[in-house]
Amino acid sequence: EIVLTQSPGTLSLSPGERATLSCRASQSVSSNYLAWYQEKPGQAPGLLIYDASTRASGVPDRFIGSGSGTDFTLTISRLEPEDFAVYYCQQYGSSPLTFGGGTKVEIK
Amino acid sequence: EVQLVQSRAEVKKPGDSLRISCKGSGYSFTTYWIAWVRQMPGKGLEWMGIIYPGDFDIRYSPSFQGQVTISADKSISTAYLQWSSLKASDTAMYYCVRHSRMGATLSWFDPWGQGTLVTVSS
Repeated sequence: EIVLTQSPGTLSLSPGERATLSCRASQSVSSNYLAWYQEKPGQAPGLLIYDASTRASGVPDRFIGSGSGTDFTLTISRLEPEDFAVYYCQQYGSSPLTFGGGTKVEIK
Repeated sequence: EVQLVQSRAEVKKPGDSLRISCKGSGYSFTTYWIAWVRQMPGKGLEWMGIIYPGDFDIRYSPSFQGQVTISADKSISTAYLQWSSLKASDTAMYYCVRHSRMGATLSWFDPWGQGTLVTVSS
């Protein structure tokens, strides 16, 4: 089973700042099959990025996915008020599919 | 619009049985895998297992094998998650999700159902 470790656990930033979220895998993720989801309070998670760097339909271009192998990054170039949420990475390169523990981006 | 609509919240006692549902619409229900994801209170996301409604192929996460039963009724485009004897530790939000890649067991999830909150308490 691939274990995904997200860091930091919490990121305290101000609107307009850049956020950099890390997702590290315990072994290489096949075909860079990695996705990122955003979860807001009281809502189901929603897809942001798949295949490590492809934005889902309707996702603003301030969300940028990058990385390969075991190290992946989600960058939010300039935080908007609606971006303060919890972010999860997920690998789907091998079964069982697994999620990281999440990074909470909070308002400083 | 592709949509997954889940059944309402449930409050049950330990030892009760339960089946929650997830109805798909806006796409061919039999050609995409459906997964179930657990989120315990204040915790992260856990993949429980998947079903392919086209032929009822089912795969479970080792962590959930034997603990739950996944099924589907393709005539009404609905997937199910079932417990025969609930425990307090089953208290969680449960999401159904669709695999985005048609026919693929390895896929990202989109869309997500709205979630079904299951509370197990004596």
